[in-house]
Amino acid sequence: DAKTTQPPSMDCAEGRAANLPCNHSTISGNEYVYWYRQIHSQGPQYIIHGLKNNETNEMASLIITEDRKSSTLILPHATLRDTAVYYCIVRVAHSGAGSYQLTFGKGTKLSVIP
Amino acid sequence: DAGVTQSPTHLIKTRGQHVTLRCSPISGHKSVSWYQQVLGQGPQFIFQYYEKEERGRGNFPDRFSARQFPNYSSELNVNALLLGDSALYLCASSLASGAGTEAFFGQGTRLTVV
Repeated sequence: DAKTTQPPSMDCAEGRAANLPCNHSTISGNEYVYWYRQIHSQGPQYIIHGLKNNETNEMASLIITEDRKSSTLILPHATLRDTAVYYCIVRVAHSGAGSYQLTFGKGTKLSVIP
Repeated sequence: DAGVTQSPTHLIKTRGQHVTLRCSPISGHKSVSWYQQVLGQGPQFIFQYYEKEERGRGNFPDRFSARQFPNYSSELNVNALLLGDSALYLCASSLASGAGTEAFFGQGTRLTVV
């Protein structure tokens, strides 16, 4: 799986949009971008994933650049409960029963400030 | 629907002992993966099982083993425990079919080796 680069930490004011960047310059054409977050001492929580197009769900939006070498996770209105470590992961999506493995880096520690 | 459940939540063992950790996937999910997360690091992949067969193995010694049962639940076994095995052990389940499948994590088992 392609390697990702994220800033180690970021701050965001409560109520403002949090924009978390991720570089994945070696991404291949069949590799998806996944985002997970981990609140202290809990299991990672799935947020969103995408291949080429921008994606939005009830939690966040994922913006992928046209060359697919970077992406941004957007939390539109950050709350204190969004304070967590955010992981950007790039992996090949296997159809059928292929090996499913997530390669986590160190992620970005997002602190939402009142 | 219940999420991924892991037991026990916390465990203290002595060096040299063995331990068995258990995981029940989300109903309908046939794939279970195990991850180890030491303090300050992202989760590291240990095993993936699908339909009771091992589909992937991370860079862990043979002291680590796992299996999946007909009801898709899984056990992770660690023999001859070392102090360095102290970590949060996470289980994730997924459908393991189709493109772009996401994994859902349990809350983990906190293992302390003394």
